[in-house]
This record gives sequence, structure tokens and C-alpha cells, in this order.
Amino acid sequence: AQSVTQLGSHVSVSEGALVLLRCNYSSSVPPYLFWYVQYPNQGLQLLLKYTSAATLVKGINGFEAEFKKSETSFHLTKPSAHMSDAAEYFCAVSRRSNDYKLSFGAGTTVTVRA
Amino acid sequence: DAGVTQSPTHLIKTRGQQVTLRCSPKSGHDTVSWYQQALGQGPQFIFQYYEEEERQRGNFPDRFSGHQFPNYSSELNVNALLLGDSALYLCASSATRLNTGELFFGEGSRLTVL
Repeated sequence: AQSVTQLGSHVSVSEGALVLLRCNYSSSVPPYLFWYVQYPNQGLQLLLKYTSAATLVKGINGFEAEFKKSETSFHLTKPSAHMSDAAEYFCAVSRRSNDYKLSFGAGTTVTVRA
Repeated sequence: DAGVTQSPTHLIKTRGQQVTLRCSPKSGHDTVSWYQQALGQGPQFIFQYYEEEERQRGNFPDRFSGHQFPNYSSELNVNALLLGDSALYLCASSATRLNTGELFFGEGSRLTVL
């Protein structure tokens, strides 16, 4: 079975500071990994996905994530936080690229201080 | 191009009642997945429909059922509602034939069971 663990349910950063959100996965097969963002009262939007091509994946809004098999991690980063980055972020895993059955982590809420 | 649309956006029911939630997928998409997101948690996979058949199912009781219509729209039905069914129900659509692995989410239907 596939699962993900997000370390830290809340992260607070200053505007302009680095954003780092941690995700570790557990998978019996090579995983497909995703980061989604959810703004208040909205659905989820895909930030980026790893599907076994490049280990460093660039997404929308300046976010990127690095797949590290040795650490079973897929941490999300953004060099400089913006007030608009305040949202909830979910890491997710699936067995296949076209599985569409995702297992989500519990989420990390990001607040950005002016 | 309309994205994934869900209705109703909010509804209140009492224990023991039945509810039907509706979803229209993004144009060109043929697969619909339903997720339950309880407050403060990540989404949990309920089931997925493709070609009017339930293709995959998560760990939810038979009280949860669904349907997909020839135009690819879908319904989620929940019978004998329990207090614990209170959650945001998210519909996500995808295009199986494109094999991108990307899900597009609607804004959800928030169900409150009293």
C-alpha cells in the first residue's frame, strides 16, 4: 500500500523567506508523487508531479520538489514566500501515473507573515 | 472552458437521511473520482467511475454509492447518514486516454449532518 506522511501540520514563514514543506512516502512500488494546494473554500489545484522522469520537478507559482529515493522523501520548496502562498498543501501518492486513486497526507497549513 | 462543477455547494441533513451530490467533469474528461475530506484532514478516496462503471473503490461502506451517466457526469449517494459523514465531498475528473495522471478538482459540496 502507498501512503505519505507530512511532517508539521502548520508552518509559518515571513514574506520573502524560504518555504519548506516535508513529505515522506511509503510505497511497495516506484511511486508517483504529487503536491496539491487548497485555498480557503476551494478545491485542490495541482502544483507539481513526479512521474519517474527528472528527480527535480518544477511546478507552478515558483514551487519545486525533489524526489530522493534514498530518503523516501518528496519535499516541496519555494525560495521566497509571497502572501498569496498562504494555503493548505497536500502531498499525495499513487501506484501508477494514470491510477487517479491518490492517497493524501494530512496536509500542512502555511501562513505568511508580513 | 468550464472546469469541474459540483452541486449543491452546501447542504444540511439529519441523521438517517439520504443525500445525492452531483458532479460535471471538465470538458473532454471521461473519468470521475470522489473524495471525502473531513475537517482538518486530507481527502480520502471513495470511488472512481469510468465508462459508467465503478472502476476502483476505497475503504467506504456500501452506504456510499455512485453512478456515472453517458455524458460523463456523476452522482454520489449516501444513505442512512451518520454524524461522521459530515465533510467536504470533492469530485475530481481526469482523462484516462491522455494518461497524464492529473486530477482536476471541483470546489466541493460541504455536507453537514445534524
